[in-house]
Amino acid sequence: AQSVSQHNHHVILSEAASLELGCNYSYGGTVNLFWYVQYPGQHLQLLLKYFSGDPLVKGIKGFEAEFIKSKFSFNLRKPSVQWSDTAEYFCAVNKGGGNKLTFGTGTQLKVEL
Amino acid sequence: EPEVTQTPSHQVTQMGQEVILRCVPISNHLYFYWYRQILGQKVEFLVSFYNNEISEKSEIFDDQFSVERPDGSNFTLKIRSTKLEDSAMYFCASTPPSGGADEQFFGPGTRLTVL
Repeated sequence: AQSVSQHNHHVILSEAASLELGCNYSYGGTVNLFWYVQYPGQHLQLLLKYFSGDPLVKGIKGFEAEFIKSKFSFNLRKPSVQWSDTAEYFCAVNKGGGNKLTFGTGTQLKVEL
Repeated sequence: EPEVTQTPSHQVTQMGQEVILRCVPISNHLYFYWYRQILGQKVEFLVSFYNNEISEKSEIFDDQFSVERPDGSNFTLKIRSTKLEDSAMYFCASTPPSGGADEQFFGPGTRLTVL
């Protein structure tokens, strides 16, 4: 069965610091990869996704992620975080073709002024 | 922008009671899902639904659970006899006709509390 690991459960950063959140998955076949964000009191929203092509994908709000197939990783990055990036971030994987998403445990990011 | 909506936002029920959680997916979407998140745990897949039938379900989705699309717009999750461990946030999601090769759009969730 596929699984997703997010190694950072809680991250605290100061504004303007750089962010990298790790995500690893265990599935040998073709996968689609996603990062979702949940701001306080709001629903899950898509930050970015990877299906194929350029392994460096850019999403909303200055976020990007790099798919490294050999490492089964899809890490999320942002060069300079803002206070408004305080939220919970979820990495997710599906096998494509209308299938379920398998989520990681989530990373709670707090950005301090 | 179209959104997935869910009602109620919070449901409190007694153990053993039946609950129905309601979702209105985005109108042209064809794939529908239910997920749940127990407090402090992962978001877990429950069931996916396509063409008026279940396409996949998890081990969690036992005989106590059922889904229905009664009228072409609503998508419901029924729990027949709730248990304490069913307390969780339940999320509905939908996907456009392209299916899994696209993002799932999530609703705001229903917080179910079983007493």
